[in-house]
Order: sequence, then structure tokens, then C-alpha cells
Amino acid sequence: QKEVEQDPGPLSVPEGAIVSLNCTYSNSAFQYFMWYRQYSRKGPELLMYTYSSGNKEDGRFTAQVDKSSKYISLFIRDSQPSDSATYLCAMEGQGNLIFGKGTKLSVKP
Amino acid sequence: KAGVTQTPRYLIKTRGQQVTLSCSPISGHRSVSWYQQTPGQGLQFLFEYFSETQRNKGNFPGRFSGRQFSNSRSEMNVSTLELGDSALYLCASSLERVQETQYFGPGTRLLVL
Repeated sequence: QKEVEQDPGPLSVPEGAIVSLNCTYSNSAFQYFMWYRQYSRKGPELLMYTYSSGNKEDGRFTAQVDKSSKYISLFIRDSQPSDSATYLCAMEGQGNLIFGKGTKLSVKP
Repeated sequence: KAGVTQTPRYLIKTRGQQVTLSCSPISGHRSVSWYQQTPGQGLQFLFEYFSETQRNKGNFPGRFSGRQFSNSRSEMNVSTLELGDSALYLCASSLERVQETQYFGPGTRLLVL
């Protein structure tokens, strides 16, 4: 079993839709959870950062962490074509980040 | 504030050669991490440097090495290149720890022929 599992998609939604992206993990020691966005031919950009369980909201983005289920989510409200990118979840384990393989999202106008 | 810069942006090498990639972190950032990104394996951690010392290392062979200078700039070296080393190599910096906000550079795309 891989440490971090993420559905690669691709996921295609119409503009204005609510997008739900998810990752599951196996290591209960993970404490820090992040979501990165990566546009084509660019480096990843940090979107959300959460410590331990709970919800965090930033504008149209909401991150949720459920440590009991080892499951994290990123919700994007009112999705825009500019949100089209690959979204990577990441978790801190033993001093380094472990990434999911990323979900490719396409938001159609 | 200038972002993380990486040089060169693109590189073509042949099997058996070696390569050195460079990363300049954001001013004031002391932690520099390196990652390899491939379509098959995704983003994988190579190593992290802090105050000129390797603090953490991922599961890569010894052909992959790195160093950090007193100004926090970092280099990574890959010796005896293999076809499978073709990837996007990303550098990320943070103030002190990987758990903090990491800022990624644009990456160096390496093609091994």
C-alpha cells in the first residue's frame, strides 16, 4: 500500500461547479497536510496548509483533514477556468514531504 | 522578494555523464529541499539541506548527491546518468523546516539520451 493515494483523474467540470479533491494515507504519524497547485511547466504552488485535523478556509478553497479516517480533501467553490491545473496533496512524514501523484483538473467555460 | 530560481531550466545529457543543477532559495530561507518529478512516480523527495548540512534524505541511490553553501544556495549532482533519471528536478525553500510553507522553483527539466 502506498503511503499517499490520490486519484489522478482527469477531472473535468463546468465553470462554477464545486470541485472535491481527495487523498488517503496510511501513516497515522502524519501531522502536517498541504495542497499544492501546479500549472503546466511550472513548479508547485502552496494553496492550503493544515496542521492535524479540522477544516481551513481561504477564499474559494476549503481544506479538510480527517485523521481518524486518514482522509484529506480540498474543495473549490465557484470553480474558474484559471483553476485548471494539477492538484497535489502532500504530508509531512519524518522530516520530508510525501506527495500524492496529483489530480488533473479541467474547468470548462 | 525574488522567488526560488533554478538553473539551467533545460538540459540534455547522455547516459553515463554527470550533471549539476543549481538552486537559489528565497532570501532568508535556510532550508532547501530537492525533488524529482516524473509522470510515473510523481513528486519524490530527494534530500533536504539546512545550514550546509544534509538533514534528511529520500530513497534514492548514492548517484544523487547535493550540497549547500553558506549563502543557502544549493546544488545537486547526479553521476553516471541513466535513462530513468530523465525528469523534472524541483527545488523548494522554506525558512527553517519542511513543515513550513515551501516555495518551489520552476524546475530543471533533464533529458537523458
